Amino acid sequence: QVQLQQSGPRLVKPSQTLSLTCAISGDSVSSSSATWNWIRQSPSRGLEWLGRTYFRSKWYTDYVVSVQSRITITPDTSKNQFSLQLKSVTPEDTAVYYCVRDTEEGGPDYWGQGSLVTVSS
Amino acid sequence: DVVMTQSPLSLPVTLGQPASISCRSSQSLVYDDGSTHLSWFQQRPGQSPRRLIYQVSRRDSGVPDRFSGSGSGTDFTLRISRVEADDVGVYYCMQGTYWPPTFGGGTRVEIK
Repeated sequence: QVQLQQSGPRLVKPSQTLSLTCAISGDSVSSSSATWNWIRQSPSRGLEWLGRTYFRSKWYTDYVVSVQSRITITPDTSKNQFSLQLKSVTPEDTAVYYCVRDTEEGGPDYWGQGSLVTVSS
Repeated sequence: DVVMTQSPLSLPVTLGQPASISCRSSQSLVYDDGSTHLSWFQQRPGQSPRRLIYQVSRRDSGVPDRFSGSGSGTDFTLRISRVEADDVGVYYCMQGTYWPPTFGGGTRVEIK
């Protein structure tokens, strides 16, 4: 059974960097059949995909256009986890952030517990 | 990005009665290999979303057979044959054919 455990600060000041980590058990971040993703959910934006990292002979990352200048998703094979960094945050980045596993079946099949991150001074 | 439009926004249902949610995409979701990456998710209050259906009609393990998915191209439907109290929550469709994957706005199912 795959489990995703999220951790990180829940309150971030405007202009600072939001950082979250997702620890994986039951699968490998280096899996050749999975992608490791961050999704956020807010009342104003709904469910919004942010980006992903995956290994297919080498590491790849993809980001959505709306955040691509501010986002970094990084795998950590030594700890079997991946992380999200979102720079220069504003109150509009306040949301519940989820890490998820996606596979070629289509659609995330495992979700983290969610982290409500509030951007406020 | 592909726009996913769900209807209705809210769906009051009597226990034991059927329910149906519609999802339309702004372009065909048929992938190059002929597969269609359309999934359905249930989100109960205070919980993370849970996948129910993938590739239009394939039910995830542990999902009651009261739930079924159908459709093709740009029009898709999630059906609950007999609504139970446990089915209360918000349902989302999602396309994974194109990057980035995108979700519908959600349909709230409630008991009358």
